[in-house]
Amino acid sequence: AQKVTQAQTEISVVEKEDVTLDCVYETRDTTYYLFWYKQPPSGELVFLIRRNSFDEQNEISGRYSWNFQKSTSSFNFTITASQVVDSAVYFCALSETRDDKIIFGKGTRLHILP
Amino acid sequence: GAVVSQHPSWVICKSGTSVKIECRSLDFQATTMFWYRQFPKQSLMLMATSNEGSKATYEQGVEKDKFLINHASLTLSTLTVTSAHPEDSSFYICSALDWMMTDTQYFGPGTRLTVL
Repeated sequence: AQKVTQAQTEISVVEKEDVTLDCVYETRDTTYYLFWYKQPPSGELVFLIRRNSFDEQNEISGRYSWNFQKSTSSFNFTITASQVVDSAVYFCALSETRDDKIIFGKGTRLHILP
Repeated sequence: GAVVSQHPSWVICKSGTSVKIECRSLDFQATTMFWYRQFPKQSLMLMATSNEGSKATYEQGVEKDKFLINHASLTLSTLTVTSAHPEDSSFYICSALDWMMTDTQYFGPGTRLTVL
């Protein structure tokens, strides 16, 4: 069965600090996708990244970076030099290619304090 | 990028009434759409997979007679909450799969349902 665990329920950091959101996943499939989504207070999901299970390269996009390690089944997300606008709930998610269902973790609520 | 819309964005109804929520893919065809439910401060839980021209597939524990899904065209899926009760109050989010071009799911903005 597939499962996504985000152990950090809530994190608060002061603006400009770096913060890492952890994500650990379980799947029996060898082919799958991993995602990160941001959900601001408005509720609309904002897509951040999709990573194919065959691509273990780390990715950087501006202040965002992702570390994918199959050996530990982790897909962690780091925000560098955090800003107040980064305050939101962040969801890590998993999709097995056989049925396209996206299974979400419980989310991490991130507070960036001015 | 691909756009998915939902209508209405919010709705308030009385207990016992039925409410229909629409999910539309605006610039691509979607043979498959998904419906999620999110209770306050909780995660998104998949309710059902909606397939164009066939019956929806419901996740375990989701009452198919209460949550009616119709996917009559390649750009529209509807979720009808029948005989709504206060415990059905939630944020309902749909997604549409663009399998033809990008093989990516695009999420709608969500519909907030409040049942009085």
